[in-house]
Amino acid sequence: EAQVTQNPRYLITVTGKKLTVTCSQNMNHEYMSWYRQDPGLGLRQIYYSMNVEVTDKGDVPEGYKVSRKEKRNFPLILESPSPNQTSLYFCASSPMGVGGYEQYFGPGTRLTVT
Amino acid sequence: AQSVAQPEDQVNVAEGNPLTVKCTYSVSGNPYLFWYVQYPNRGLQFLLKYITGDNLVKGSYGFEAEFNKSQTSFHLKKPSALVSDSALYFCAVREAVLTGGGNKLTFGTGTQLKVEL
Repeated sequence: EAQVTQNPRYLITVTGKKLTVTCSQNMNHEYMSWYRQDPGLGLRQIYYSMNVEVTDKGDVPEGYKVSRKEKRNFPLILESPSPNQTSLYFCASSPMGVGGYEQYFGPGTRLTVT
Repeated sequence: AQSVAQPEDQVNVAEGNPLTVKCTYSVSGNPYLFWYVQYPNRGLQFLLKYITGDNLVKGSYGFEAEFNKSQTSFHLKKPSALVSDSALYFCAVREAVLTGGGNKLTFGTGTQLKVEL
């Protein structure tokens, strides 16, 4: 089954404790992206990657890091989480190219930072 | 720059009645337009998209959307609403010509659809 998986689905942590949210896709997609969803703000892009070792900032990258060492994986790293990073996070993937490709989304990770 | 506006935070409709969820967009060139639906505790599911061609696009679960270039709109519609359609709906846009940013989609703030008996 074609899918995007994220782990963990729920995470409660404390300020300053480094954490990683994993994302993996099995569709051989070049493009992967992280979003955060906050009430009244919709989805905002954090970081994206157009291929292995190619990553770039989205609209709200502060406080986050990513890496793309393998095509299927795109982990999101919070080196020193703060309460304002409490949010619902989504990973997404799609093919690249001139076509209007829809993105496939993971199930989401609900993060609470206390 | 690309942007999307969903002017209604919530839309209420009775089951069996037609529904419309509004979306307007702004891009520099031609747009690619998408609708996604989010059910509680779930990820976003793709409903339909407009790339080119016929302005009326049909998608999953009986939904359709009409692309109107002059009004820069892409409203989501369904002829007869079901209680199970109750969910959060997102409109998204991408410029057709990639100028950087990969396949970046810009999302609206979402519209909560509530269908009541």
